[in-house]
Amino acid sequence: SQQGEEDPQALSIQEGENATMNCSYKTSINNLQWYRQNSGRGLVHLILIRSNEREKHSGRLRVTLDTSKKSSSWLITASRAADTASYFCAEGQGGSEKLVFGKGTKLTVNP
Amino acid sequence: EAGVAQSPRYKIIEKRQSVAFWCNPISGHATLYWYQQILGQGPKLLIQFQNNGVVDDSQLPKDRFSAERLKGVDSTLKIQPAKLEDSAVYLCASSLRGRLNSPLHFGNGTRLTVT
Repeated sequence: SQQGEEDPQALSIQEGENATMNCSYKTSINNLQWYRQNSGRGLVHLILIRSNEREKHSGRLRVTLDTSKKSSSWLITASRAADTASYFCAEGQGGSEKLVFGKGTKLTVNP
Repeated sequence: EAGVAQSPRYKIIEKRQSVAFWCNPISGHATLYWYQQILGQGPKLLIQFQNNGVVDDSQLPKDRFSAERLKGVDSTLKIQPAKLEDSAVYLCASSLRGRLNSPLHFGNGTRLTVT
């Protein structure tokens, strides 16, 4: 399978704490994107990091990319109960121009 | 801007029956995608349209699934006949351009249960 993987599969933290998850992928990429999915809803785009970028920020979200290790990390600071959702990384595969999603990390932020 | 619209929201059918899903993308978005999301997994691309032409349908089970995009706007995805393993959420997404640097906008999906 060409599908990447997020780690951990599930994460439970207290409100105010920081949350970190990782994404590993297998192919060469054009970019890597992160999406959020609330229960019963569609995915919402959070951030896109290009293959020539190493770090990107958006509000409380920080994403890094290490193409030599084929991995990306996602950090959200000062978590809130409203951040409870599943988070997916998606590889923008350069050769095929496909966007391939990982299996996701389920984040629970306890109030 | 209005989001991606999908209908129906839920559908329950028996195996071997047929079903159709409808998607209306964001106005002006040239690229339309259908994804299948099985419970606990990430979305899997079934088919990608650029305007009304198919760009990628390599993972579409063509013996039972079909899709079309009329006039490069709305799209329908059909399953005939359905199998138990088709139970999943079917997500439609659109993007402004077909290039990878354009984020996808998703609808809320159609949850299909095959009994």
